[in-house]
Amino acid sequence: EAQVTQNPRYLITVTGKKLTVTCSQNMNHEYMSWYRQDPGLGLRQIYYSMNVEVTDKGDVPEGYKVSRKEKRNFPLILESPSPNQTSLYFCASSFATPYSGSPDTQYFGPGTRLTVL
Amino acid sequence: GQQVMQIPQYQHVQEGEDFTTYCNSSTTLSNIQWYKQRPGGHPVFLIQLVKSGEVKKQKRLTFQFGEAKKNSSLHITATQTTDVGTYFCVITGNQFYFGTGTSLTVIP
Repeated sequence: EAQVTQNPRYLITVTGKKLTVTCSQNMNHEYMSWYRQDPGLGLRQIYYSMNVEVTDKGDVPEGYKVSRKEKRNFPLILESPSPNQTSLYFCASSFATPYSGSPDTQYFGPGTRLTVL
Repeated sequence: GQQVMQIPQYQHVQEGEDFTTYCNSSTTLSNIQWYKQRPGGHPVFLIQLVKSGEVKKQKRLTFQFGEAKKNSSLHITATQTTDVGTYFCVITGNQFYFGTGTSLTVIP
């Protein structure tokens, strides 16, 4: 089954304790991205990756890191989480990039609800 | 980054009434996508519009792309409780930009 998986689904942590949220897709998609969703703000892109070893900042990258060592995986790293990073996080992937001639459907993971105390 | 305004933010309708959400951009768009997110779920792709004045239908849903490619709308005819959720328009540049969404509540 074609899917994007994220782990963990729920996480409660404390300020400053490093954490990683994993994301994996099995569709051989080139483009992957991370979003955070906050009430009234829609989904805002944190980082995106157009291919292996190619990553770029989105609109809200501060406090986050990503890596793309393999095509299927795109982990989100919070080196020193703070309470303002409490949010719902989504990983997404698509075959084509947004600025290709015909940007493709994005497939989203189930989401990770993070609470930083 | 690019911005797209989406209105209304919330909409409550009686089951059977129609519903419309609008997206507006100050710049000409190359395309626009629409997604639906059910409560507690993740966004799911509905459709992509590319051509000026394009109209596409999916059962009770009608999607339109403005002639100037600066606005788009999603219209649902005779809403059902299964239509509950938040509808997002998404525009593309070097990344995907989500509108703020319209949350639809359908009252049985």
